[in-house]
Amino acid sequence: AQSVTQPDIHITVSEGASLELRCNYSYGATPYLFWYVQSPGQGLQLLLKYFSGDTLVQGIKGFEAEFKRSQSSFNLRKPSVHWSDAAEYFCADVRHNTNAGKSTFGDGTTLTVKP
Amino acid sequence: DAGITQSPRYKITETGRQVTLMCHQTWSHSYMFWYRQDLGHGLRLIYYSAAADITDKGEVPDGYVVSRSKTENFPLTLESATRSQTSVYFCASSSSGTGNEQYFGPGTRLTVT
Repeated sequence: AQSVTQPDIHITVSEGASLELRCNYSYGATPYLFWYVQSPGQGLQLLLKYFSGDTLVQGIKGFEAEFKRSQSSFNLRKPSVHWSDAAEYFCADVRHNTNAGKSTFGDGTTLTVKP
Repeated sequence: DAGITQSPRYKITETGRQVTLMCHQTWSHSYMFWYRQDLGHGLRLIYYSAAADITDKGEVPDGYVVSRSKTENFPLTLESATRSQTSVYFCASSSSGTGNEQYFGPGTRLTVT
């Protein structure tokens, strides 16, 4: 079965600093990878996704992520963090099996932004 | 209103009671999902459905029952609630099971006393 690991439970960065959130997946086949963001008390919102093509994908709110098969990673980056980016971030692998899709989410990384 | 809605948003129930969480989507998406979110565990898939009358277990199905008689509705029932089922429950829908965004509802915060 696939698994997704987010090694960092909590990250703190200063406003304006760059950000990288790590995500590692484990599965032999091509993964279908997503990054979601969850603001406090809210549902999840899609930031970006990857399943083929260019390994550097752009998302909303200035985020990007790079798929690296050799490292089994799909790290999320942002060059300059804004206070409004404080939230919880989830990496997910949505796997298609015959007639159904299953989702595996990482445990999440909580981002705190210092003024 | 268009989108995906969940009701109730907050629920307190007692151990042993049956409780049903409702989920409704207006996009006619084929796939629907139920997750629970607990501190330190991220989101864990409880059940999902690929179409009306087709459901399957996820990672943590024990103690839960689902049905999907209509494409737009996907209720989740706790037949005999336990304290360990205290959690935030999210419903999501997707047009397919692969490579497509899942759209999440606002969540239901369930407390079992």
